[in-house]
Amino acid sequence: SQWGEENLQALSIQEGEDVTMNCSYKTYTTVVHWYRQDSGRGPALIILIRSNEREKRSGRLRATLDTSSQSSSLSITAAQCEDTAVYFCATDGGNNNAPRFGAGTKLTVKP
Amino acid sequence: EAAVTQSPRNKVTVTGGNVTLSCRQTNSHNYMYWYRQDTGHGLRLIHYSYGAGNLQIGDVPDGYKATRTTQEDFFLLLELASPSQTSLYFCASSDTGAGERLFFGHGTKLSVL
Repeated sequence: SQWGEENLQALSIQEGEDVTMNCSYKTYTTVVHWYRQDSGRGPALIILIRSNEREKRSGRLRATLDTSSQSSSLSITAAQCEDTAVYFCATDGGNNNAPRFGAGTKLTVKP
Repeated sequence: EAAVTQSPRNKVTVTGGNVTLSCRQTNSHNYMYWYRQDTGHGLRLIHYSYGAGNLQIGDVPDGYKATRTTQEDFFLLLELASPSQTSLYFCASSDTGAGERLFFGHGTKLSVL
C-alpha cells in the first residue's frame, strides 16, 4: 500500500501470550490510527497515536510510533480469545488527507 | 457514540446494473468516506467529502461516482456495475478529518453477477 502496510498478514497465538503487530508507512503522517474489526462488523478505533507521542497505552494495548523509521506497532499483553480480530493501521499522509489503511493483520487467539 | 447507518446491508445485481449505496451519519461530522474491503487489500479509499456538495477522489475511483447531498448523507453510485466491484463497502465519518477517529457503518455487501 502507498500509505500504510503491516508486515504480517496472519498471526496465531495461545491465550495469555503477548503479541506485537507492526505497521510501516511510506509517507509522513501526523497520526497513526489502529483499528480492530470483528467478523461482520465495521472497524472500530482502539488507539490513535500522534506524531508527538512515542507511546500510548490503553488497558492491555500499547502503541508505539517511530517517526524517524516511519513505523508503528501495536502490542497486546496477555492476549485473550476475545482479542481475535483483524487489526489495521491507518495514516493520514501528513496533510489532513483522508486516512489510508494497511492490509491488516488477522490475529487468532486460541484457548 | 457516533452513528453511521448504511443501506442496504446486502445487494445483488447483474453486470451492467445500476446500484446506489446510501450512508447517513447523525453526529454532525464534516468528513465522510467510502471504502471498499477485499481480502488481501484491506480498506481502499474510493471517494470522500469535506461537506455538503464537496467531493474528493480517492485511490480507487474508477467505476464509482459519489454525491454528498447534505452534511448527513453520502451516496455511492455504480452506474454500470461489473463483477470486479463485488466487495464489502464501508462508509465512515469523522469530525475534523484524517487526524481524528473514524466511525464506521456496518458495511454493505455487494455482489455483481
